Amino acid sequence: RKEVEQDPGPFNVPEGATVAFNCTYSNSASQSFFWYRQDCRKEPKLLMSVYSSGNEDGRFTAQLNRASQYISLLIRDSKLSDSATYLCVVSLSGNTPLVFGKGTRLSVIA
Amino acid sequence: GAVVSQHPSWVICKSGTSVKIECRSLDFQATTMFWYRQFPKQSLMLMATSNEGSKATYEQGVEKDKFLINHASLTLSTLTVTSAHPEDSSFYICSARRTGVGANVLTFGAGSRLTVL
Repeated sequence: RKEVEQDPGPFNVPEGATVAFNCTYSNSASQSFFWYRQDCRKEPKLLMSVYSSGNEDGRFTAQLNRASQYISLLIRDSKLSDSATYLCVVSLSGNTPLVFGKGTRLSVIA
Repeated sequence: GAVVSQHPSWVICKSGTSVKIECRSLDFQATTMFWYRQFPKQSLMLMATSNEGSKATYEQGVEKDKFLINHASLTLSTLTVTSAHPEDSSFYICSARRTGVGANVLTFGAGSRLTVL
């Protein structure tokens, strides 16, 4: 079983749509969770950290379910500029390397 | 904000040559840097953890004699791909962890795209 699993997509959605991505992780001892965004042929950039109580940043909402070892990202009112690959990222602690999922590709269409 | 500079951004070389990639933290000190590799449509795979002043820790399956890592200062880590072959063609990305507040957030370099002919 892979450490971090994501649906690779692609998700093709119209502008203004709401889209949700899911991610599962295998190591129950994981402590830190993130969503990164990666544009084509570019480096990943931190989108948001994911906290146990769930958190929101503008149009983006992240949720964590430790019991099910499941993380989600919700994007509301999709923009063309949201088109990218979204990487689910997990680590055991502050000092251990990050483990990346394969990413979910999103295309927002006009 | 934290900035990591990575050079070169792309390189084409002949099979059998060695290529050095530099990763610098520009406005913070990084005792730990990570080197990742990403093949097309694949996830980032950790190759090694680079620790300032000590030997790098390599992930299983990564040849330490082929991928030489040097982290001689708190702001610079280098990855040398020795005797490169076409199968080493990939996107290599370094990242640095800022110590202190937000220590688990990684800042990535822009990546180095290596093509071995």
